[in-house]
Parts: sequence; structure tokens; C-alpha cells
Amino acid sequence: GENVEQHPSTLSVQEGDSAVIKCTYSDSASNYFPWYKQELGKGPQLIIDIRSNVGEKKDQRIAVTLNKTAKHFSLHITETQPEDSAVYFCAASMGNTGFQKLVFGTGTRLLVSP
Amino acid sequence: DAGVTQSPTHLIKTRGQQVTLRCSPISGHKSVSWYQQVLGQGPQFIFQYYEKEERGRGNFPDRFSARQFPNYSSELNVNALLLGDSALYLCASSIRDREGTQYFGPGTRLTVL
Repeated sequence: GENVEQHPSTLSVQEGDSAVIKCTYSDSASNYFPWYKQELGKGPQLIIDIRSNVGEKKDQRIAVTLNKTAKHFSLHITETQPEDSAVYFCAASMGNTGFQKLVFGTGTRLLVSP
Repeated sequence: DAGVTQSPTHLIKTRGQQVTLRCSPISGHKSVSWYQQVLGQGPQFIFQYYEKEERGRGNFPDRFSARQFPNYSSELNVNALLLGDSALYLCASSIRDREGTQYFGPGTRLTVL
């Protein structure tokens, strides 16, 4: 089936702390895993993505890890800042479809307090 | 460079009416995908178009249709609107159909009364 589970649904941290969001996917043929940040009233903004031939990818304070065996991938944000507050969505690209269909998790509301 | 643009920003319709939403992809991108995002949930895939042809369709009724024009812009049409169609409709563009990063527009907020 096509399913992406995302946890936690809400996450509150103090400025400077780290935040971790975890996702699990069901389609073993999935090979592309983007993360999007969505602020109120805006469309999702890509913040980082990873492909199945890579185990980890970093971009400044953001990193994503992928465990294909366990079908898990995670977003790590270090040194959080108040402007990181938003809803974060993980997604997985369904495989073997002949087109690119992203299946999204249910989202994590991150609140970074000063 | 301009990102993905969508129009209108907001739209209010009544049940049974029809609506057309518009999307212009990033310059150079030939694929457009449409997603529906109900409040509090993640986006759900509706269609993907590439080179003016439908490449994939999600689990949505036939009331939903779309097309892509020679300039790669796209329209999403929804007929016989239901209250449950109220959502944020998102357009995403990518260079190709099977792979490539999808960049989202700001969305069109549709309210059905």
C-alpha cells in the first residue's frame, strides 16, 4: 500500500535545541524522500531531499537520514531558531508507477520558543 | 527567477458549481502536478501532467479533471462541487515526470458553501 506515517504530530523545543522528526513509508520501491516546510498561508517549501542510494545528507543546520532496510527516514534540525517554527511534512515518491507521485505524512507542527 | 504561480489566491463557490484553477510552472519545467490539501493534513496527489499528457492520476472522482497547455501552464477543473472539496489546491512543477524535485506554488484556497 501507499502510506507514510510521521511522528510526532507536534514538537515544542527551546531555541538552540535540536529537533527530530521521523517518518516511515510502506512502499519498498520508493526511491526519493523530500522534506517540506509549510508556513501559515503558504505552499510547501522544499528544505532538503534524499535519494535511496544515499544514507545521509546535510545542508547547514538540517540533515536527513535514510534507513532503507527499516523503511525509515528522519529530519534533524540543529540549533533551532524561532523562524524554524512551521509545519514540516515528509514525503515518499511511490515507485514503479511511471510517473512521480509524492505521498505525504500528516505533518509535524514545530514550535521553537525564544 | 519566478517560482510557481497560481491563481486565484482565494475562491468561494457554492455546492454544485464548477471551478477552474490555474497554474504556471517554473520556466523550463515541463511537468505540473496537482495536490489537494485539506486543513490539518498533508497534500494528496490528484494529477501529474508532462508534455501536455496526463501521466498519472490519484484516487479522485471524475469530477476532477485537468489539462496542460503548450506553454506548460495547467488548469484544474472541478465540477459539481461538494462541501468536502473545500481545501488548499497546490500546484507543483518539476523538470520531468518520473523524477526531479517538485516545487510548490502558494496554492488556491477553495471554500465551498
